[in-house]
Amino acid sequence: NAGVTQTPKFQVLKTGQSMTLQCAQDMNHNSMYWYRQDPGMGLRLIYYSASEGTTDKGEVPNGYNVSRLNKREFSLRLESAAPSQTSVYFCASKSEGSSGGNTGELFFGEGSRLTVL
Amino acid sequence: KNQVEQSPQSLIILEGKNCTLQCNYTVSPFSNLRWYKQDTGRGPVSLTIMTFSENTKSNGRYTATLDADTKQSSLHITASQLSDSASYICVVRGSTSGTYKYIFGTGTRLKVLA
Repeated sequence: NAGVTQTPKFQVLKTGQSMTLQCAQDMNHNSMYWYRQDPGMGLRLIYYSASEGTTDKGEVPNGYNVSRLNKREFSLRLESAAPSQTSVYFCASKSEGSSGGNTGELFFGEGSRLTVL
Repeated sequence: KNQVEQSPQSLIILEGKNCTLQCNYTVSPFSNLRWYKQDTGRGPVSLTIMTFSENTKSNGRYTATLDADTKQSSLHITASQLSDSASYICVVRGSTSGTYKYIFGTGTRLKVLA
């Protein structure tokens, strides 16, 4: 049971380079999320997708784009990487829960550690 | 302003001892609160969920409490083990500006020593 799979696990970029972080879940969840985790801060939402075909901005979307390719896959793209984007990125999907979406559980991937030089 | 505050930031205890982690939130309206455990280099994993009507819930050696009136939650770990060394993150599901979202605390880093 793989759950949420992220690739790559580690990446080093130079300023201005582009890359895509891949995420796939095998739990048939509708909602998927991309977060970043920085020292001393809580996880911050970059983008989310409530269902296949829809995406919405979170609290820190600048410098990122996303694609909900199908129900399983949700990718995050950095078009022109900046040192401020050095972070650990987590993809998550959400179960529905017993009383609608609000009690659903977030299932996280293992994280992608990105360094921008 | 961080709407979910956790304390302490870090904690060191000896194996076999108990400890309690705190989470205070100002999120309103409130839907539920989850405690997640994050091992070093891994993604967070849910330990327990507390809804508005629940006061206490246990998951093995982990016991979570919720006081919705004072907007406080605690996670008590009994008879700690080396494998409990991790960050513990409090996550509140609530509404800001009419949209429900997850609001994350910054976590408590627990180190259990032999």
